[in-house]
Amino acid sequence: NAGVTQTPKFRVLKTGQSMTLLCAQDMNHEYMYWYRQDPGMGLRLIHYSVGEGTTAKGEVPDGYNVSRLKKQNFLLGLESAAPSQTSVYFCASSDVGTSGRYNEQFFGPGTRLTVL
Amino acid sequence: RKEVEQDPGPFNVPEGATVAFNCTYSNSASQSFFWYRQDCRKEPKLLMSVYSSGNEDGRFTAQLNRASQYISLLIRDSKLSDSATYLCVVIHASGGSYIPTFGRGTSLIVHP
Repeated sequence: NAGVTQTPKFRVLKTGQSMTLLCAQDMNHEYMYWYRQDPGMGLRLIHYSVGEGTTAKGEVPDGYNVSRLKKQNFLLGLESAAPSQTSVYFCASSDVGTSGRYNEQFFGPGTRLTVL
Repeated sequence: RKEVEQDPGPFNVPEGATVAFNCTYSNSASQSFFWYRQDCRKEPKLLMSVYSSGNEDGRFTAQLNRASQYISLLIRDSKLSDSATYLCVVIHASGGSYIPTFGRGTSLIVHP
């Protein structure tokens, strides 16, 4: 039971390059989230998904796209990377319990992205 | 005004001290509340859920005050290993989705 995994762990891009970050969870969670964390800014929600085939915009979606073709995977794409996208990216998953209460989020280890 | 606000600190306390953090939120329809701990350059990990009735786990106590729209975390008998950033998270439901909003975190440094 690996929980939430992210690949890659580190990446350096040049401005204008594209890449995809992969998040995978093995807990059968419906909800998945992508965040970015910058110094002094806390975690900011980029996009999220409430189930397979669904995606929605979060607080800071510009410059990113996402896809959730399979329930266990949530992909974050950068079509044309910019230096402002240098950050640490965290993926998380969660679910709602049988009582209807929202359960905790489980986080992946993060991807450290630098755009030159 | 940010939806979820925390004092960034740092709170610098000696071992054995009691320290309290508050986190205020603006959305009165918020449903669920959590405290996470984050160590430097690592992923956040759940510390405690926060319930209206309060929640205690060893040296940690979390409280929710819906009327004043804040949650609190109390750490008693601080240990060096408690040094970390503490993040509050507020969940609100919107259109069938659950949207988490994080505070910016409060830094705690426990010194000998």
